Amino acid sequence: SAVISQKPSRDICQRGTSLTIQCQVDSQVTMMFWYRQQPGQSLTLIATANQGSEATYESGFVIDKFPISRPNLTFSTLTVSNMSPEDSSIYLCSVEVTGIRFFGSGTQLSVL
Amino acid sequence: QKEVEQNSGPLSVPEGAIASLNCTYSDRGSQSFFWYRQYSGKSPELIMFIYSNGDKEDGRFTAQLNKASQYVSLLIRDSQPSDSATYLCAVRNNAGNMLTFGGGTRLMVKP
Repeated sequence: SAVISQKPSRDICQRGTSLTIQCQVDSQVTMMFWYRQQPGQSLTLIATANQGSEATYESGFVIDKFPISRPNLTFSTLTVSNMSPEDSSIYLCSVEVTGIRFFGSGTQLSVL
Repeated sequence: QKEVEQNSGPLSVPEGAIASLNCTYSDRGSQSFFWYRQYSGKSPELIMFIYSNGDKEDGRFTAQLNKASQYVSLLIRDSQPSDSATYLCAVRNNAGNMLTFGGGTRLMVKP
């Protein structure tokens, strides 16, 4: 398994601002994943982050809105830019170990 | 048609009963299947995974896979109120590079 630390655990932000979410893993992993979970919905993959290369974004998500950094094999950040109330969701960091995906504790974001 | 489908529920069962959660998938070549439990306000946690046809048991949980019929089930025996949560089915595609989640089934176990 993997121990994934994610912060902040929650935040309330004003419209038009940006929030950076941090994800730290206790072991080196090739890929890190960022998910969004809107209220009452399942998980939607935002992007996959590999160390040393640009993140790969899923359809409907763009780098300008969700820039991702992956400076090393244990850390990644996701920024939610120019936020609107529609961005209110839980954001989850995830890693894969031996074919199994594990999740961080999540960041509950509310945009006013 | 969604790639991974689950009945959203809620599925309500009395304490001590067997809860049966079902998941169907569209990609016939899918190779591995996962069940996650998610309590309200928490992140998903892995309960079980299964790769081969048949049953896999772990304590009160049994995963059942039928590739010919393209469904995977999770049985929870002796259901407890603490099992009340949303259960997410996830399916990995044949190429192994994509993990698709179902919408989840909300389970309520009533004392």
